[in-house]
Amino acid sequence: SSELTQDPTVSVALGQTVRITCQGDTLRSYYTSWYQQKPGEAPVLVMYGTNNRPSGIPDRFSGSSSGSIASLTITGAQAEDEADYYCNSRDSDNDHSVFGGGTKLTVL
Amino acid sequence: QVQLQESGPGQVNPSETLSLTCTVSGGSMIAYYWSWIRQPPGKGLESIGYVYYTGTTNYNPSLQSRVAISVDTSKNQVSLELTSVTAADTAVYYCARRAYFYASGRGHHYMDVWGKGNMVTVSS
Repeated sequence: SSELTQDPTVSVALGQTVRITCQGDTLRSYYTSWYQQKPGEAPVLVMYGTNNRPSGIPDRFSGSSSGSIASLTITGAQAEDEADYYCNSRDSDNDHSVFGGGTKLTVL
Repeated sequence: QVQLQESGPGQVNPSETLSLTCTVSGGSMIAYYWSWIRQPPGKGLESIGYVYYTGTTNYNPSLQSRVAISVDTSKNQVSLELTSVTAADTAVYYCARRAYFYASGRGHHYMDVWGKGNMVTVSS
C-alpha cells in the first residue's frame, strides 16, 4: 500500500508565504487533495486535483506538484489559517484513499 | 447545499459491533461515492472505505475483515458497521462525499463534503 509523508509542524510569520509538502510515490500517478482542520471541527477541502480551489477558499491558497511531491502554498498567511493540514491521494495498488500524517501550521 | 449528519451511539463495549448512520440531505446520492473516515483522539485521518450509490464497496485493507459499508438511497443513508471493536477503534467517525474525476487516463478523487463527525468511545 502507498504512504504519504508530511512534516509534522510548520510555522510562518503573519503575512508571509508558507509551503506545506506531501511526499509519496503514488503522487507520481494520482492527484492530491488537501484538507484544513481546525480544533474540534471537521476537515474542510481547500484544494483538489492538485491545484483547484473549491468555491469559498481564498485565492491565497494554491497547489502544485512535481514528481513524488505535492505542495500546498499559502501566500500571505493569515491568523485564521492556523490549523492542521492533511494531504490525500489514491493508493497506487487499489482504489483506497490514503492520508498523510498531517502538518500543524502555526502562524506567528 | 448537500449536508451530511452522522448518528449513532457514543460508546460501544469491547468485542461488540460499532454501527453508525450518515444521513444525506439537500442533494441526491445518485452518481456519488460515500466514504467513512475516522480520527483517533489527537491523531490523523484514516480512511475506512467507501460505497458507491449502486452498493459497490472498497475497504481499507487493514480493516477489511471487520468492516461493512452499505447504502440505502431510498432513505438517503449510508451505514457503517465495524465488528470486534477494541480501544484502538476509539475515534471520531466522519462520513464524506467522495467526488471522482478522470484525467491522464486514471481515476482521481477528493472528499468535498464532510459531516461534523460522531465521537465513538470503545470502553466497558
